[in-house]
Amino acid sequence: DAMVIQNPRYQVTQFGKPVTLSCSQTLNHNVMYWYQQKSSQAPKLLFHYYDKDFNNEADTPDNFQSRRPNTSFCFLDIRSPGLGDAAMYLCATSRDGQGGYEKLFFGSGTQLSVL
Amino acid sequence: GQNIDQPTEMTATEGAIVQINCTYQTSGFNGLFWYQQHAGEAPTFLSYNVLDGLEEKGRFSSFLSRSKGYSYLLLKELQMKDSASYLCAVMDSNYQLIWGAGTKLIIKP
Repeated sequence: DAMVIQNPRYQVTQFGKPVTLSCSQTLNHNVMYWYQQKSSQAPKLLFHYYDKDFNNEADTPDNFQSRRPNTSFCFLDIRSPGLGDAAMYLCATSRDGQGGYEKLFFGSGTQLSVL
Repeated sequence: GQNIDQPTEMTATEGAIVQINCTYQTSGFNGLFWYQQHAGEAPTFLSYNVLDGLEEKGRFSSFLSRSKGYSYLLLKELQMKDSASYLCAVMDSNYQLIWGAGTKLIIKP
C-alpha cells in the first residue's frame, strides 16, 4: 500500500547531540511537511517542501534543518537538541498543496526523547 | 491573529452521541478539516467541509457554518475505539493549515 513511512518510531538522543529523523513516501506527492507536536498541543509546522522548493516557517529555530534529496525522501536534522525539543515529529504529504481540498497523509511519527 | 478553539476534553458513554465544537478566526477560508488522533499516533483524516451544511460519513458527521466561523463533529453510536483526540484545522487564504489543540474524547462503558 502507498504510504508515508517514518523511522525510527522512537528516538532517544543526548542533549546537544545531533539527530536525524527520516521520512519516505510512496504516494508520489509533491508536498512534504514536518510538524512538531507536544503533548495535548496542536501540531506546529516547522517547514515544508513544494517539490524542491523549501519553505521555512518564520518561527522555526535555526537548530532545525531539513533536506529533501528526491521526491520520496525528506529528513529532519536537529543540530543541537535541547530538552525543549522532546516531542512527536510528524511527517506528512499532500498531493499538490495549492488547492482547498488537500488532505494530509501522515506518517506514524517519531517520538523524540532528549536526555 | 488566527485562532482555532475547541474544548480540551469531553467525556461520553459507549453507544451515545457526542458533538465536538470548533470555532475559528482565520485570514480567509479554504475549508475545514477534522482529524482523529489516537494517543501516541499520527492524525488520520476524518472529514472536509468547504460549503455550509452537514456532511455525513457513516457514524461521523461534520457541520460547517462559515458565517458563524463554526463547525462541529458529531459521533454517533460511540465505541470504545473512538477514544482519541479530535483535531479541527482550517485552511486559510494562503492554503496554510491552522490547527486547533484538539479535543480529547474519553468514552466510558
